[in-house]
Amino acid sequence: GNSVTQMEGPVTLSEEAFLTINCTYTATGYPSLFWYVQYPGEGLQLLLKATKADDKGSNKGFEATYRKETTSFHLEKGSVQVSDSAVYFCALPSGNTGKLIFGQGTTLQVKP
Amino acid sequence: GAGVSQSPSNKVTEKGKDVELRCDPISGHTALYWYRQRLGQGLEFLIYFQGNSAPDKSGLPSDRFSAERTGESVSTLTIQRTQQEDSAVYLCASSPAGSIQDTQYFGPGTRLTVL
Repeated sequence: GNSVTQMEGPVTLSEEAFLTINCTYTATGYPSLFWYVQYPGEGLQLLLKATKADDKGSNKGFEATYRKETTSFHLEKGSVQVSDSAVYFCALPSGNTGKLIFGQGTTLQVKP
Repeated sequence: GAGVSQSPSNKVTEKGKDVELRCDPISGHTALYWYRQRLGQGLEFLIYFQGNSAPDKSGLPSDRFSAERTGESVSTLTIQRTQQEDSAVYLCASSPAGSIQDTQYFGPGTRLTVL
């Protein structure tokens, strides 16, 4: 079945540093890929998604490219802010249904 | 518009008691999901409702867990004879059609503590 592996955290960066959070997947076919974010004290929300190979999802300065060759969907941001401190989850659907398989989550802490 | 809502936001119960958790999805969304998030862990899928189809219960961890959905609206997750390992945040999500491309919209969760 489909699976996702996400780099472990926590990740601690200084403001304006470059961020990469690695995510690799195993899947049958080419499912959509998602990054969800959970800010402190808030619910889980979609950060970005890509629906087919070579697509780039982007939002709030974050980007992730659907790489079929390397089965990866790494999350990047060129210059992080304190407000980006949160837990980030990589996810993909299981089989032909919409139910999602999530990575373990990566906690990002950005220091001023 | 209104997002996914869940109630209660917090629930503390004693081991062995039954609990009911409620989810109100976004109006018009045919797909509804329940997930569980244990402390420091990722989300685990529990159950999935899509329209009038039979629910996908493949993620329910034991027969103490059950869920119902009334048409395409409210859903209730019931945990019978709660155990301490049931302590977690229970998240509900809905999506427009349950497609693998759909974005799921999550509620704020119910934090369940079993003493």
